[in-house]
Amino acid sequence: KAGVTQTPRYLIKTRGQQVTLSCSPISGHRSVSWYQQTPGQGLQFLFEYFSETQRNKGNFPGRFSGRQFSNSRSEMNVSTLELGDSALYLCASSRMGADTQYFGPGTRLTVL
Amino acid sequence: EDQVTQSPEALRLQEGESSSLNCSYTVSGLRGLFWYRQDPGKGPEFLFTLYSAGEEKEKERLKATLTKKESFLHITAPKPEDSATYLCAVHPYAEGGSNYKLTFGKGTLLTVNP
Repeated sequence: KAGVTQTPRYLIKTRGQQVTLSCSPISGHRSVSWYQQTPGQGLQFLFEYFSETQRNKGNFPGRFSGRQFSNSRSEMNVSTLELGDSALYLCASSRMGADTQYFGPGTRLTVL
Repeated sequence: EDQVTQSPEALRLQEGESSSLNCSYTVSGLRGLFWYRQDPGKGPEFLFTLYSAGEEKEKERLKATLTKKESFLHITAPKPEDSATYLCAVHPYAEGGSNYKLTFGKGTLLTVNP
């Protein structure tokens, strides 16, 4: 069974730009979560989607948003990029959300 | 507020030298505790899920245990390929079952020298 896939794997943007990251969950998984990983803060929860509905949101500014499509694929968007947004963005999928989450390889975002 | 503390932050072992990693947690109620392994530049790889105190799970040279306040990841006779960052995460209960996020510790960087 194919794992979680994320595209693109690497991105370089400049301050003020916006970016969209994509995540395809494991087949049959309906919950998709997004995390930001930085050396200083570790893994921090951004939001979780299930059946196209956001059920949980972490403590991030409104510049961070996401959505989920009917096929469970998910996208996250970051607008007005700041230097501090440079991080590894990880997507994880699970069947229902309250069970084991499986992670994708991540998207490395660098903001210059 | 849910908290997860992992220790030590870094651990260097010789090949074959067994040791344990610690994960202490504070949550109002625990739905599950997870261990992941992460290699540099990659996403976390799932290792174990533990649900209740006293539970143990094993996989190759790794064994995870759970008490009411902490979890241990025991590594027996490690090999250089076990070098990675090991992450612990908790999934707390929430009123109405509405919490679907994991709270992670900062991880333990394990280096196994040949």
